[in-house]
Amino acid sequence: NAGVTQTPKFQVLKTGQSMTLQCAQDMNHEYMSWYRQDPGMGLRLIHYSVGAGITDQGEVPNGYNVSRSTTEDFPLRLLSAAPSQTSVYFCASTRSGDPGLAYGEQFFGPGTRLTVL
Amino acid sequence: AQKITQTQPGMFVQEKEAVTLDCTYDTSDPSYGLFWYKQPSSGEMIFLIYQGSYDQQNATEGRYSLNFQKARKSANLVISASQLGDSAMYFCAMREKNGGSYIPTFGRGTSLIVHP
Repeated sequence: NAGVTQTPKFQVLKTGQSMTLQCAQDMNHEYMSWYRQDPGMGLRLIHYSVGAGITDQGEVPNGYNVSRSTTEDFPLRLLSAAPSQTSVYFCASTRSGDPGLAYGEQFFGPGTRLTVL
Repeated sequence: AQKITQTQPGMFVQEKEAVTLDCTYDTSDPSYGLFWYKQPSSGEMIFLIYQGSYDQQNATEGRYSLNFQKARKSANLVISASQLGDSAMYFCAMREKNGGSYIPTFGRGTSLIVHP
């Protein structure tokens, strides 16, 4: 199993450009989520999905779009990049939304370091 | 108000000693899960330990134990016999019900440095 994969690892954008961060998992997990990590702020939830075709907003959704057409893939789109979106982005998956250990442990991708100039 | 509070931005410990990383949480949901993750300087997030809100016993995983005090809403991570490789950021997280889904919330993290 590859687990959770993210591409690209690094990206530099200019203000106003759009791009898609890719995330895929091969564990047949229902629940997937995107976080951004900024210094001193921990991980903040951007969007999440509890299954194919179902997405919802997290704590900091503005400027980002997601879709979940398959169980495996959960891409994150930056619509018009801004310097405030400079961050490290993590994708994670969980077997289900249940908080119990059997289902609640999150598996994280390696992260994408995004810089917006 | 923060749902997860980690009050120690940085901690230092001598190799082979034990260290406690604090975490308090806020929820009104009776069913929730508490997690600790480690993030070394390489950047990956590593799951360490879990405690369920209905669990009677404190969770243990090798050198990690979770000191769960439900009435105080605290879930401190105890690392026994610290090793140099334990130097990392440590994040406390909670999953609780929000509408129809269980949403995870992370604390801001504690940086642990283990001295030889």
